[in-house]
Amino acid sequence: DADVTQTPRNRITKTGKRIMLECSQTKGHDRMYWYRQDPGLGLRLIYYSFDVKDINKGEISDGYSVSRQAQAKFSLSLESAIPNQTALYFCATGGGAFHEQYFGPGTRLTVT
Amino acid sequence: QQQVKQSPQSLIVQKGGISIINCAYENTAFDYFPWYQQFPGKGPALLIAIRPDVSEKKEGRFTISFNKSAKQFSLHIMDSQPGDSATYFCAASVVSGNTGKLIFGQGTTLQVKP
Repeated sequence: DADVTQTPRNRITKTGKRIMLECSQTKGHDRMYWYRQDPGLGLRLIYYSFDVKDINKGEISDGYSVSRQAQAKFSLSLESAIPNQTALYFCATGGGAFHEQYFGPGTRLTVT
Repeated sequence: QQQVKQSPQSLIVQKGGISIINCAYENTAFDYFPWYQQFPGKGPALLIAIRPDVSEKKEGRFTISFNKSAKQFSLHIMDSQPGDSATYFCAASVVSGNTGKLIFGQGTTLQVKP
């Protein structure tokens, strides 16, 4: 986990607030991903990026935006948080022949 | 067609027993099948993975069995230990597609009783 760090680790916010989750990695990987985890649904891909100029939507991108500030930094924003965005959020990097993914420790987000 | 279906949702096994978690997929383009292990408060970590050109891969007490014709794969944990208690996710991707996108199963919470 130390190779991929996420801040904050826990966050409680109110409906309508803008919030940013940050991710940094020291693995030197070009690929970075944002997932959300909900009980019984597994992990679902929100956005992914191959480099600072290449951002792609995942399966559940509505209500989210991302920014790739550098190879090592990939942030996720909720422009106007709503309660059903309460979830665990994970950042991951990808590398190797099979694009193996390495996950950060996660951010627990609660929207009240 | 992008789904990966995982079962059971939860599993309780006695120490020393065999834990078996199953996954099924539809997309025949999938060519990489990893399993991830997640402990409470931690991110998922790659446990073991298989390509469809082999039917079985073993690493220590963990074995993946792969049935290409049935489009199914499973994780077997031999001699299960309390330290194996975690949530397990199967996943699949299309390596040749070059996106590295993983499609995850729903997860299985394993409890190994002492």
